[in-house]
Amino acid sequence: KQEVTQIPAALSVPEGENLVLNCSFTDSAIYNLQWFRQDPGKGLTSLLLIQSSQREQTSGRLNASLDKSSGRSTLYIAASQPGDSATYLCAVKEETSGSRLTFGEGTQLTVNP
Amino acid sequence: NAGVTQTPKFRILKIGQSMTLQCTQDMNHNYMYWYRQDPGMGLKLIYYSVGAGITDKGEVPNGYNVSRSTTEDFPLRLELAAPSQTSVYFCASSRRQGNPSGELFFGEGSRLTVL
Repeated sequence: KQEVTQIPAALSVPEGENLVLNCSFTDSAIYNLQWFRQDPGKGLTSLLLIQSSQREQTSGRLNASLDKSSGRSTLYIAASQPGDSATYLCAVKEETSGSRLTFGEGTQLTVNP
Repeated sequence: NAGVTQTPKFRILKIGQSMTLQCTQDMNHNYMYWYRQDPGMGLKLIYYSVGAGITDKGEVPNGYNVSRSTTEDFPLRLELAAPSQTSVYFCASSRRQGNPSGELFFGEGSRLTVL
């Protein structure tokens, strides 16, 4: 059974700092990996999607990498801003699970002005 | 663009009552999903559908039912509400093919309390 772990569970940083969020998964036979942002009381917003054949994806100040063989992905946020404060979740879609995704429990990020 | 729309946003039920959470998407996506999210926890898959007329169980299907009569709609029914079903429910959709395939789009959630 696929298990997804996100470390740390919570992170507090000063504005302007570069930071890395980690996601690990136990079964490397994945179809893709997706990073989401969730604001309090809101739904999930897709940030980046990495297909299994890709190593990284970039969008603005965000960069996500994928290392299938080691079962790890990182989300790098450059020059963090208070507006980046949210919970960040990663989810993996397995090759053999039909269309199901397995989610991590998220990292709650606070960026202090 | 509306994307994925869920109704109601909030609901309080008494134990034993029944209700349906509505979900509709206007992106012509094949795949639709229902997740529940409990405080401090990740999302757990309840049911999913790969197309009209096809549904399948996820991790936590007990106490729920779904149907998929059209591509757009994927309602989730709670038959006999229990306090353990107090949660935030999210509907999501994705397309089977295209670029990028598999990207998941979420509704804003339905917060359900069972007393």
